[in-house]
Amino acid sequence: NAGVTQTPKFQVLKTGQSMTLQCAQDMNHEYMSWYRQDPGMGLRLIHYSVGAGITDQGEVPNGYNVSRSTTEDFPLRLLSAAPSQTSVYFCASSWWTGGGYTFGSGTRLTVV
Amino acid sequence: DAKTTQPTSMDCAEGRAANLPCNHSTISGNEYVYWYRQIHSQGPQYIIHGLKNNETNEMASLIITEDRKSSTLILPHATLRDTAVYYCIVRVASGGGADGLTFGKGTHLIIQP
Repeated sequence: NAGVTQTPKFQVLKTGQSMTLQCAQDMNHEYMSWYRQDPGMGLRLIHYSVGAGITDQGEVPNGYNVSRSTTEDFPLRLLSAAPSQTSVYFCASSWWTGGGYTFGSGTRLTVV
Repeated sequence: DAKTTQPTSMDCAEGRAANLPCNHSTISGNEYVYWYRQIHSQGPQYIIHGLKNNETNEMASLIITEDRKSSTLILPHATLRDTAVYYCIVRVASGGGADGLTFGKGTHLIIQP
C-alpha cells in the first residue's frame, strides 16, 4: 500500500512549456484534489474530483487542466507554464466515509 | 465552510503537553473539526477529527467545547518532531470535504528542547 504517489519530485520548465504532474493512489479513494503551496503560504486548492469522470475547479484553477479517467489516477496538466506557477504541488485523496485526506510528498516545480 | 481562527505561533517545551486552540464560532451543525499538520516541506498529515464529542487517537486528543464554537488539539507529550504548522479546518462530514480543503495560515508550533 503505497498511499499517494506523485511524480516527478522535482521539475524545471521553461516559460511556455507544458507538462503533466502525475498523481496515483492505491487506496480506492473516491475523492482526490490538487493544491499548490507558494513559499511561506498555506495550500490553495486548484482542482478536485469526487469520482472517476467528475472534476471541478477549486480556488486557483487558471492555467491548469485535470481529468479523472480512473479512480486511481488524477493528473494535473500545465498548459503553458509561467513563472507565476513556480510552486510546490500536492495531491491528496480521501475515502467518502471520512478520516481525512492522505497527501503525497509533493512536486517542486520551477518555471524559468 | 466556517471560518477558523488560530494563533500564528506557539512554543512548547519538549515533553510537555502542547495545547493548540482554534476558534470556529460560525460552525454549522453538520460540520466537523479536522486537524492537519505540515512538517517542513512535507505534505500535510491528517491528525484527528470530531463533531461534538472529544476524540483521541494515537497522535493526539481533540477537545470540542459544548457550544462547538472552539476546540483544542492536545499533543500529550510533545517531541522535537512535533514542530510543524498545525491547521484547523471545519468541513462537512463526508470524506472530510468532497470538494477539497480550505487551508488557513495555521499555527506554527515550535517545540523547544
